[in-house]
Amino acid sequence: SQELEQSPQSLIVQEGKNLTINCTSSKTLYGLYWYKQKYGEGLIFLMMLQKGGEEKSHEKITAKLDEKKQQSSLHITASQPSHAGIYLCGADKWWETSGSRLTFGEGTQLTVNP
Amino acid sequence: DGGITQSPKYLFRKEGQNVTLSCEQNLNHDAMYWYRQDPGQGLRLIYYSQIVNDFQKGDIAEGYSVSREKKESFPLTVTSAQKNPTAFYLCASRDGTSYEQYFGPGTRLTVT
Repeated sequence: SQELEQSPQSLIVQEGKNLTINCTSSKTLYGLYWYKQKYGEGLIFLMMLQKGGEEKSHEKITAKLDEKKQQSSLHITASQPSHAGIYLCGADKWWETSGSRLTFGEGTQLTVNP
Repeated sequence: DGGITQSPKYLFRKEGQNVTLSCEQNLNHDAMYWYRQDPGQGLRLIYYSQIVNDFQKGDIAEGYSVSREKKESFPLTVTSAQKNPTAFYLCASRDGTSYEQYFGPGTRLTVT
């Protein structure tokens, strides 16, 4: 079963527009990670959130973990073509006893048209 | 420069052959991971290792094998038993303090 759901699956925006990507978990999130991936390349770490209500920013990208720690949102302000790529959220599977590992959502494909 | 290297970037094999994908890290991380990514899908965990000489199966371990004889190296063998081996393979290691997971550039394997 899918433990992390991302929405939307794909997003096409005009340059300069704001956008939001959501990541929802069926279980409490103890560590939520956001990554960006260019097609055919490795993942680039963006941010990690741990506390309910926590919000972090990196350049024009802001990520937030809700108070109940079951949903995170990634917001991009004034999007640019350089923001295009696949955004993935990952979460610590602490509910398993097999140790430290991440589970990932299916990703959101972002296209920014100039 | 510290980081994770995967080689080669592209790999082609005939059906029925085993193939080994390389993953090396010089970040001094204990934990290392192998993921598979298929078009339009997220990452699925194949195997992971939290310490040298120890590893665990992930969600899709069938048809794969690994070894962890050195801290720096975590090679993945795709065996002929893997039904759909063509995919993009990503290796990662994890910082035991910050818990940030670092990824390699990936290897695209094509089996025909």
